[in-house]
Amino acid sequence: NAGVTQTPKFQVLKTGQSMTLQCAQDMNHNSMYWYRQDPGMGLRLIYYSASEGTTDKGEVPNGYNVSRLNKREFSLRLESAAPSQTSVYFCASSSHQGSGNQPQHFGDGTRLSIL
Amino acid sequence: GEDVEQSLFLSVREGDSSVINCTYTDSSSTYLYWYKQEPGAGLQLLTYIFSNMDMKQDQRLTVLLNKKDKHLSLRIADTQTGDSAIYFCAEISYDTGRRALTFGSGTRLQVQP
Repeated sequence: NAGVTQTPKFQVLKTGQSMTLQCAQDMNHNSMYWYRQDPGMGLRLIYYSASEGTTDKGEVPNGYNVSRLNKREFSLRLESAAPSQTSVYFCASSSHQGSGNQPQHFGDGTRLSIL
Repeated sequence: GEDVEQSLFLSVREGDSSVINCTYTDSSSTYLYWYKQEPGAGLQLLTYIFSNMDMKQDQRLTVLLNKKDKHLSLRIADTQTGDSAIYFCAEISYDTGRRALTFGSGTRLQVQP
């Protein structure tokens, strides 16, 4: 099982360039998430999609847009990259919203550097 | 709002037990998770506990929950060098309407041979 797949694994951009990070899951999960991980700050939620066709802002959405292309895919776009967006980006998915134990499953991350 | 705190670093000798601590602020029905992150990798789910439980054991892992103090711990018995990683505590409470996990900043576990 592939689980959650992120592409690319590494990317270097210049300030002002645009970039789309791709994420796909093969677990038939309804909910998908984008986080960024910075040293000493844990993971912070950028955007999430509770179900196909819906997206909502998380804790740090500024400078990002998302698209829930279908049930499997959830992409994150940087329209005009800034050095403050240098980070490791993780995509995650979980089965559904509501209640009950619904752990999130993570991809291996995209390491993004903005020069 | 929700907040999860962890100590940043723990060093133990191989074969000893490791105890990683976490405190959280959410007071409603909550699921609490422990994730492990090895260098250059994503987060791997280790175990979880619901807030109506006091303890959960899974092989070398024991999770203890003190609801009164909102304190969660992860004990790793017979710690091995392969356990060296960053461990994240995370919580979610559906009663608050939140839709995603709140993570601590992670505890780096270093296992000395």
